[in-house]
Amino acid sequence: EIVLTQSPATLSLSPGERATLSCRASQSVTSYLAWYQQKPGQAPRLLIYDASNRATGIPARFSGSGSGTDFTLTISSLEPEDFAVYYCQQHSNFLTFGGGTKVEIK
Amino acid sequence: EVQLVESGGGVERPGGSLRLSCAASGYTFDDYGMSWVRQAPGKGLEWVSGIYWNGDSTGYVDSVKGRFTISRDNAKNSLYLQMNSLRADDTAFYYCVRNSGIYLDAYFDYWGQGALVTVSS
Repeated sequence: EIVLTQSPATLSLSPGERATLSCRASQSVTSYLAWYQQKPGQAPRLLIYDASNRATGIPARFSGSGSGTDFTLTISSLEPEDFAVYYCQQHSNFLTFGGGTKVEIK
Repeated sequence: EVQLVESGGGVERPGGSLRLSCAASGYTFDDYGMSWVRQAPGKGLEWVSGIYWNGDSTGYVDSVKGRFTISRDNAKNSLYLQMNSLRADDTAFYYCVRNSGIYLDAYFDYWGQGALVTVSS
């Protein structure tokens, strides 16, 4: 099973700041990596697929990068609605999720 | 507009059974594989089970193999999860999700709002 490790567990930032979230895979997943956002009481929402492609309707301030074992989700300038939990997921070998990164207001 | 609506959640005792249903609308149902993803309260996400577009192949996480059965009825645009021999650690919100392709290896582009399953004596 491919294990995805997300860091940090919590990121404390202010609106307008840049957020950089990491997802590391225990073995290569090539580019088969997606990112999701989940707000309290809501279902997750797809943000990024295939490591760097924004899903439909996702603002340009969200970007994904990486390949192989190291991936990054960047939010260029945090808006109030971006404070949430973010999960990565691989579909290269079976299907697994990372443990999540909570982006909270500082 | 794609919509996925789960039903069938509730409270059940350990060892009991529940059947979740998911009604899909807004797209051609049999053009996509489907999955169930769960989330224990306050915890992360876990893929539980998935099924090909035509139902010919299924997959399960090890912890539910032999206890849960996924199925679909393309004529009714519906997905199901039969859960038997329930355990306390099956307590979670269960999300019906659409796979990005026809098979199991996919990301999940649409999610339902979730159905809460509570297993407790």
